[in-house]
Parts: sequence; C-alpha cells; structure tokens
Amino acid sequence: DTGVSQDPRHKITKRGQNVTFRCDPISEHNRLYWYRQTLGQGPEFLTYFQNEAQLEKSRLLSDRFSAERPKGSFSTLEIQRTEQGDSAMYLCASSLTAGGRTDTQYFGPGTRLTVL
Amino acid sequence: SQELEQSPQSLIVQEGKNLTINCTSSKTLYGLYWYKQKYGEGLIFLMMLQKGGEEKSHEKITAKLDEKKQQSSLHITASQPSHAGIYLCGAPPMIKAAGNKLTFGGGTRVLVKP
Repeated sequence: DTGVSQDPRHKITKRGQNVTFRCDPISEHNRLYWYRQTLGQGPEFLTYFQNEAQLEKSRLLSDRFSAERPKGSFSTLEIQRTEQGDSAMYLCASSLTAGGRTDTQYFGPGTRLTVL
Repeated sequence: SQELEQSPQSLIVQEGKNLTINCTSSKTLYGLYWYKQKYGEGLIFLMMLQKGGEEKSHEKITAKLDEKKQQSSLHITASQPSHAGIYLCGAPPMIKAAGNKLTFGGGTRVLVKP
C-alpha cells in the first residue's frame, strides 16, 4: 500500500510566477486535504475535497490559490502571481470517510516552496 | 475557533530519559491526534484519542486524553535518538459537517542527546 505522494518536493520560484503542486492520495481514500505550514508553526488548513467536490476553503486561501481534484483521485494546488509570503511547506493528506465515520489523515512528504 | 497550545515548545533530553509533552485546548476536544514530523518532512501518524480518560500506547510512546477532554499528554519512556523530531497535536472540529479538518498546535521540538 503506497502512501500519499507529492510532487515536486521542492520548488524555488521568482515572485510573480505561477506554480502548481500535485498530490496523489492513498488509492481508496475519498477525502483529500491541503495544509500550509510555515517555519516553526503547526500546519494550517487550506481546503479539502470529498471525491471531486471541494467542500470547504479556508480564508487563508486567497483568490490567487486554486485547487482541483478533477476525477476524485489526484489533486493539484496552483498559486498564481506568487509572493514571498507564500513561501512555506504545502502538505497534502488523505483519509477514508465511510458511514459517517472519518478516519485518520495520512500526510504526504510535502512540497517546500521558496519564493525569491 | 478552537486553539491548541503545546508545551514545552522545545526540549532537550538525555538518551534514556523520559519526556512528556502537553497539548491544551481552549474548548472541549472531540478527538485528538498526535503526529510526529521530522525536520522538512511530512507528518507521521502516531495515535488518536476520542474518549475522556482514554490512554493508548505504542512501543515506548503513551498518549492520554483527560476526563474533561481539554488536555492530552504524550509520554515517551527511555528516549532514543530516533524519537527526535517535532511532535504535533491536532484536533478535529466539533461539528461533523465541517469535515475533519484539523487544527494543530504549534509543535514541540524534541532533541535527544546521545
């Protein structure tokens, strides 16, 4: 059973450029979450999907951020016109929700974004 | 909104010594997850607690949720260098319809000196 994978692991970009990250969840998991973690802090929730539906977005997710999960499998997180304040670790997690019971979230290795 | 405070923020222990990390919530917890994170990497699930007074152990790590469900502790017995890392507690929202998005504490950084 493969875990959650994320690509790329590291991304360095110049301010104003667009970047896209990919997350592949554990295959049978129907929920997928994105979090952001800055240095010395705990992760903060950004958004989550149940299958292909995006059910909630945090106020942290400005209109420069967009996430998709087109076929209910992998997900992408795009940041347009990056700013230095976007520099962070972007974490993806997946879980299986069945019968109203939500299981544990399993996290990927993260994508570390550095905006110069 | 719910806030989780972890203490201490960091600690250094001698290999073989015990250590305890605390996680205190501003509101009643409806579950509490403990994760471990190695520097620059993702989170590794350790344990999940749901019931007041619940205690779980795995290898040398024991986690407890108090009866009032507002505080949890993580205890490591006879620490080893492999226990070094950042320990994070995370709590789901009280409303099931809010999904299971987790609110995390700030983390406790553990260094084990050989």
